[in-house]
Amino acid sequence: DAGITQSPRHKVTETGTPVTLRCHQTENHRYMYWYRQDPGHGLRLIHYSYGVKDTDKGEVSDGYSVSRSKTEDFLLTLESATSSQTSVYFCAISQGLEGNEQFFGPGTRLTVL
Amino acid sequence: DAKTTQPPSMDCAEGRAANLPCNHSTISGNEYVYWYRQIHSQGPQYIIHGLKNNETNEMASLIITEDRKSSTLILPHATLRDTAVYYCIVGGSGTYKYIFGTGTRLKVLA
Repeated sequence: DAGITQSPRHKVTETGTPVTLRCHQTENHRYMYWYRQDPGHGLRLIHYSYGVKDTDKGEVSDGYSVSRSKTEDFLLTLESATSSQTSVYFCAISQGLEGNEQFFGPGTRLTVL
Repeated sequence: DAKTTQPPSMDCAEGRAANLPCNHSTISGNEYVYWYRQIHSQGPQYIIHGLKNNETNEMASLIITEDRKSSTLILPHATLRDTAVYYCIVGGSGTYKYIFGTGTRLKVLA
């Protein structure tokens, strides 16, 4: 299995609180991604990174920001959490080559009360 | 980005082949077809991918039609552990932004 960890694995927070989720990889892959998964929606891309300090938006980026200061870490921040951001968040990595698969982390379950 | 259409659910008898179809009629010439599965609440697991030719690995086979508008994932001898949601995705044309649909929920029956 690809070396991807996410922390925390579970978090309960209150509306309006800032929250940061961390994705850490040991594979030295160039690309990293954050997805959220909600019932009836499959996985939806929030943001992705194509290198250190290089990030771009996905299809559901509103209310989220990301940062990547090192190859191995990709942080997802909810500046002011809302109940609509209650979800399971998955990080993924890929080498970024044409036809290259993504490897997913175990997920973080976030509940915003 | 191209999108895909999959049946919402399928059943398969244990030991039999499971054939999961996917339509991707708007696929671009340089886009790959990927298959992933998600068992319970775990992170999605890569299964196989292809561009034009049929592909086989230790987990499954991927059959892509000549016009590339549809494909079929084949699990040759399904087991109870293959019960999962299977996602067909097209992408990889430089942006690496997958669009996941809701997938096919495969239930393997004993």
